[in-house]
Amino acid sequence: SQQGEEDPQALSIQEGENATMNCSYKTSINNLQWYRQNSGRGLVHLILIRSNEREKHSGRLRVTLDTSKKSSSLLITASRAADTASYFCATDRGSGGSNYKLTFGKGTLLTVNP
Amino acid sequence: EAGVAQSPRYKIIEKRQSVAFWCNPISGHATLYWYQQILGQGPKLLIQFQNNGVVDDSQLPKDRFSAERLKGVDSTLKIQPAKLEDSAVYLCASSLARLGTAAETQYFGPGTRLLVL
Repeated sequence: SQQGEEDPQALSIQEGENATMNCSYKTSINNLQWYRQNSGRGLVHLILIRSNEREKHSGRLRVTLDTSKKSSSLLITASRAADTASYFCATDRGSGGSNYKLTFGKGTLLTVNP
Repeated sequence: EAGVAQSPRYKIIEKRQSVAFWCNPISGHATLYWYQQILGQGPKLLIQFQNNGVVDDSQLPKDRFSAERLKGVDSTLKIQPAKLEDSAVYLCASSLARLGTAAETQYFGPGTRLLVL
């Protein structure tokens, strides 16, 4: 079953603009990760934020996590055409000694127009 | 360092035929995952190995899917017999995660795109 749900499903912006994608989840988590997938390729890890963190930055990426609302957002600033891809959030919600694994959402398709 | 390798990249078969996919994880990664990604969806975990043992195969359709990871390195995923609904991209990933620790980062291979006719 899908734990995370991204919003919007698709987003189209102009180069140079900022892109914001949201992710909501249902159960408590240990950490939340964002991955990017270019068309026809495998997924690439972007950033990991732990449940005790509220905000994290990596280059042009900014991720926030609100555990009270069970939601996260990914902000890409000054977007480029090369940022065109699908973006997935994935939650790690291992419970009490059992194995930990990622559960992915359906993704947001971002298109950055030159 | 070399990434996760998968082969073949593409495969077209007819329903009821069998097919096998191969994955070579990043050297030293104890945990290996197989995911199924249907068009327009996120990856769905099929099976997770820790070294050569199965940790989680709760979402693996065991009547037709099987996987093994001999010697705790390479892994193969087999479908026998294939159905139309098995058309998807099969992704292999590996990580340094160990039981009892957070999943941390997973490194994905390019995937095998399967089309069942």
